[in-house]
Amino acid sequence: QSALTQPASVSGSPGQSITISCTGTSSDVGSYNLVSWYQQHPGKAPKLMIYEVSKRPSGVSNRFSGSKSGNTASLTISGLQAEDEADYYCCSYAGSSSPYVFGTGTKVTVL
Amino acid sequence: QITLKESGPTLVKPTQTLTLTCTFSGFSLSTSGVGVGWIRQPPGKALEWLALIYWDDDKRYSPSLKSRLTITKDTSKNQVVLTMTNMDPVDTATYYCAHSGYSYGYLPDYWGQGTLVTVSS
Repeated sequence: QSALTQPASVSGSPGQSITISCTGTSSDVGSYNLVSWYQQHPGKAPKLMIYEVSKRPSGVSNRFSGSKSGNTASLTISGLQAEDEADYYCCSYAGSSSPYVFGTGTKVTVL
Repeated sequence: QITLKESGPTLVKPTQTLTLTCTFSGFSLSTSGVGVGWIRQPPGKALEWLALIYWDDDKRYSPSLKSRLTITKDTSKNQVVLTMTNMDPVDTATYYCAHSGYSYGYLPDYWGQGTLVTVSS
């Protein structure tokens, strides 16, 4: 079970849109519509931002959206704001024997 | 309102066994579909899933750490306990427990604040 692959860093200016990719395999991302995205500020616990590929929990800004194509899931942040600067992790269901696999993490910088 | 909180030693010596407790409220671990998992994060590194226990006492472990991990639950106390044997300095990390269930796609949704465990002699 290998970690899902994310870019190490993504940056953008305020107001711009950025997209973070999360590449897995046909055994995880490609097989299930069970991908979540988490935002983590320094010293804080991860916060759920997207679940089931594209659904937002109550209270999460609609500037955050998710999608999936094949073995790759994506998180898009539109109208980038300073408060969006954080680390982002994807997570996919990977089957009943080893249910969770996390991504390598992406540091988002707001220029 | 679902909350979870991790507790345990902040410092363990190499070769010792680590025991962490997750105490939760706002849900029952006897409800169908509910699980509590453990995830860790070494300083400056990514999240890593360790173990998961379901409402029916089914247990799952990370293949790379399976031989060292044991997860148990005490439904009456609303607690989940993780033990990790033969601790090594590379196991230094913040350890999180997290709830999962049908509401948010069976992946971690509510997380504890985490507890930093340092392995050093």
